[in-house]
Amino acid sequence: DSGVTQTPKHLITATGQRVTLRCSPRSGDLSVYWYQQSLDQGLQFLIHYYNGEERAKGNILERFSAQQFPDLHSELNLSSLELGDSALYFCASSVDGGETYNEQFFGPGTRLTVL
Amino acid sequence: DQQVKQNSPSLSVQEGRISILNCDYTNSMFDYFLWYKKYPAEGPTFLISISSIKDKNEDGRFTVFLNKSAKHLSLHIVPSQPGDSAVYFCAAISTQGGSEKLVFGKGTKLTVNP
Repeated sequence: DSGVTQTPKHLITATGQRVTLRCSPRSGDLSVYWYQQSLDQGLQFLIHYYNGEERAKGNILERFSAQQFPDLHSELNLSSLELGDSALYFCASSVDGGETYNEQFFGPGTRLTVL
Repeated sequence: DQQVKQNSPSLSVQEGRISILNCDYTNSMFDYFLWYKKYPAEGPTFLISISSIKDKNEDGRFTVFLNKSAKHLSLHIVPSQPGDSAVYFCAAISTQGGSEKLVFGKGTKLTVNP
């Protein structure tokens, strides 16, 4: 158990819909990272939040957005869903996320299926 | 453009033998590399890392080798155990405006046969 929690574990929805994935970081961790793992793909970095502020963006579609709340939990919002958005979505947390590497601890992931 | 490549999707070895997982990268700005291990229905867990100023790092049965000139790293597991069966991801740290994001390969599925 990494200490990072993600809800829900599974999500099945239809094209065109909107969903929200939730992540609670380890206690004391200030950074939250979101990654997407599609079929036959490695984990793709989506976005990084540090202490409530966006730090970096990766391959995140405009239909996707995220935020980190004052209690440091984070939500990833996916809208106008397409079949290709079906994937595993992982969040990871780390103590810092600044100039030196701090180990990222991953949650168990949310499996999104778009029908 | 895939910056971290794991060209072998799968590897099968016998228990007690050596497992060698390979990884190549294209971005010479990467200066820190990691291996993550992932079991089904779980998130990736950190296994071992290496800084670009080193060419070897060892932790128990796990050793990572880095060849900077070839932009190649490998993970050696000796001796391999059935519990090592998992997907192994190679990752590199990419620093961007104060963010330490991980760039992952596609993974290699290791099966250790009893």
